[in-house]
Formats: sequence, C-alpha cells, structure tokens
Amino acid sequence: ETGVTQSPTHLIKTRGQQVTLRCSSQSGHNTVSWYQQALGQGPQFIFQYYREEENGRGNFPPRFSGLQFPNYSSELNVNALELDDSALYLCASSSQGPDTQYFGPGTRLTVL
Amino acid sequence: QKEVEQNSGPLSVPEGAIASLNCTYSDRGSQSFFWYRQYSGKSPELIMFIYSNGDKEDGRFTAQLNKASQYVSLLIRDSQPSDSATYLCAVRNSGYSTLTFGKGTMLLVSP
Repeated sequence: ETGVTQSPTHLIKTRGQQVTLRCSSQSGHNTVSWYQQALGQGPQFIFQYYREEENGRGNFPPRFSGLQFPNYSSELNVNALELDDSALYLCASSSQGPDTQYFGPGTRLTVL
Repeated sequence: QKEVEQNSGPLSVPEGAIASLNCTYSDRGSQSFFWYRQYSGKSPELIMFIYSNGDKEDGRFTAQLNKASQYVSLLIRDSQPSDSATYLCAVRNSGYSTLTFGKGTMLLVSP
C-alpha cells in the first residue's frame, strides 16, 4: 500500500458528460501527477500539480483540467467525454526533490 | 518526442530462471530511471529506481543502466509464478519531474 487513495474505483459515463476524479496524496508528499492508461499501453502523463499550481502538462486537450488543494489532494476533471477517454486514470504522489512517484489504485472510467 | 521503448512480450521463463527485461530511451538528458510492476487490473507498483551507470541490486532484482547506450534493464533472479505481470520502464525527462513510460513487457513465469 502506497498511502495514495483515489475515488471512485469505477465509473461509467456517456459521451458528452463531465467527470471528476479525486486523489489523496501520501502523507508528506506535495506533488501530484495524473496519468491516463489505455488498455495495453503504458501510462501517459496528463499534468502535474505542485503546491496548488500546475507544474507541467502532457499532450492532452484543455477539456482535461485539474486542481490541487491546500492539503495536496487533487482532482482531475474531464469535460465533453469521448469514447477514447475510456481508460484507467492513475494518480501518483511524490515529494519535491526526490522524484520517486507512488501510484494510487486508479479509477477505471468507461465512456459509452 | 521523448520515447521509451520496450518489447511487449510476452517473455516466458520457467520457474527459477533469470528473467531479463530491457528498455531503451531517446532523451539523452534523462537522469532517473524506474521499473514498475503492474498486475492485471491493478496500478503500477514501484520495484526499483536507478540513477547512476552500472548495477543496482535489491533482493532478487537487479537494475542495470548504461547511459551511453541509453539502455536500462531489469534482471529478476529465481523467477516465481507470482512475478508474472507487466513490467513498465519509466524515465524522468530532463527538465521535468514527470515520467515517460514504455508500453511494458509482459512476463510469464511457468511453474
């Protein structure tokens, strides 16, 4: 167990809807990174938050947005869901300096 | 485009054998390298990280790094059926604290 938690575990949405995924980082970690993992692929970096500011973004459209809160927990929001957004969404926490990232259990999103 | 390449496998080895998993990366400025294990339907679990050229051992696992060849590998000694999983190689990109992952290599250890 890494101490990183995510909710919900599974989610089913329809195309065009919006979704919010949540992540609580490991105690002592101030950085949260979000990844999307499609079936049979490695995780793809979406964005990272450090002390409530976005600290890097991957090649994802603006309908993917996020927040980090003062307690370092984080949200990933996806608007106008598309079928290709179906994936495992992973949150990883780390502390500044050491770059070892520890993953939460993930949220499995299915878009119908 | 910074890339991390892995053979998708599956790599099949008998129980007790040495499994060798390989990874190459394109960003010559990369400084940190990670191996994660991912069981089907689960999230990635950190096995090892390596920063310096050479070997790093942790129990049955040995990570090997050759920055000149842009190559990193993971050796698993005395492979067990419980080692059957997908192994993801990840590289920290120069200038960022984010990771680029390969697609993973599936390892199958038969009893």
